[in-house]
Amino acid sequence: QKEVEQNSGPLSVPEGAIASLNCTYSDRGSQSFFWYRQYSGKSPELIMFIYSNGDKEDGRFTAQLNKASQYVSLLIRDSQPSDSATYLCAVRPSNFGNEKLTFGTGTRLTIIP
Amino acid sequence: KAGVTQTPRYLIKTRGQQVTLSCSPISGHRSVSWYQQTPGQGLQFLFEYFSETQRNKGNFPGRFSGRQFSNSRSEMNVSTLELGDSALYLCASSGGGINYGYTFGSGTRLTVV
Repeated sequence: QKEVEQNSGPLSVPEGAIASLNCTYSDRGSQSFFWYRQYSGKSPELIMFIYSNGDKEDGRFTAQLNKASQYVSLLIRDSQPSDSATYLCAVRPSNFGNEKLTFGTGTRLTIIP
Repeated sequence: KAGVTQTPRYLIKTRGQQVTLSCSPISGHRSVSWYQQTPGQGLQFLFEYFSETQRNKGNFPGRFSGRQFSNSRSEMNVSTLELGDSALYLCASSGGGINYGYTFGSGTRLTVV
């Protein structure tokens, strides 16, 4: 079982709709969770992080965390063509002092105008 | 505030050669991590350094090595290059703590011919 799993996509969503991206992780003690956006040919850019169960909203983005079920999701409301990118889920493990982030392979999102 | 700086941006090397990549983290960041990104494997963790000490190492052969200097700048070295080492090498720095994400540099695109 991979440590962090994402559906590779591609996920196609009409402009203005809600895009839903999901991620599951295997380390039950994982502490914090991150979503990165990566445009083609560019490096990953941090867009959200969450460490408590529940929802965290930032503009059009909402991160959701359910530690009991070991999944984290990212919702993008009012999707725009500029949201077309690969979205990477990253998880920080449970041991203190370990900065290492483990990444999923990413979900490619395409917003259709 | 300057971001993470990686040099060079592009490299073409021949099989069997060695290469050194450089990374300057964001000022004040003491944690530096290196990742290899390929289309098939996604982001693979190479190593993480904190205050000149390697805290974590990924599952890469011994040909891959790194170090961190007292000013937090980091280098990674790949000896005896193989065709399969062609990839985007990303450096990321972190301010520390479990809730801090990484900030990535623009990466070094290495092509081995």
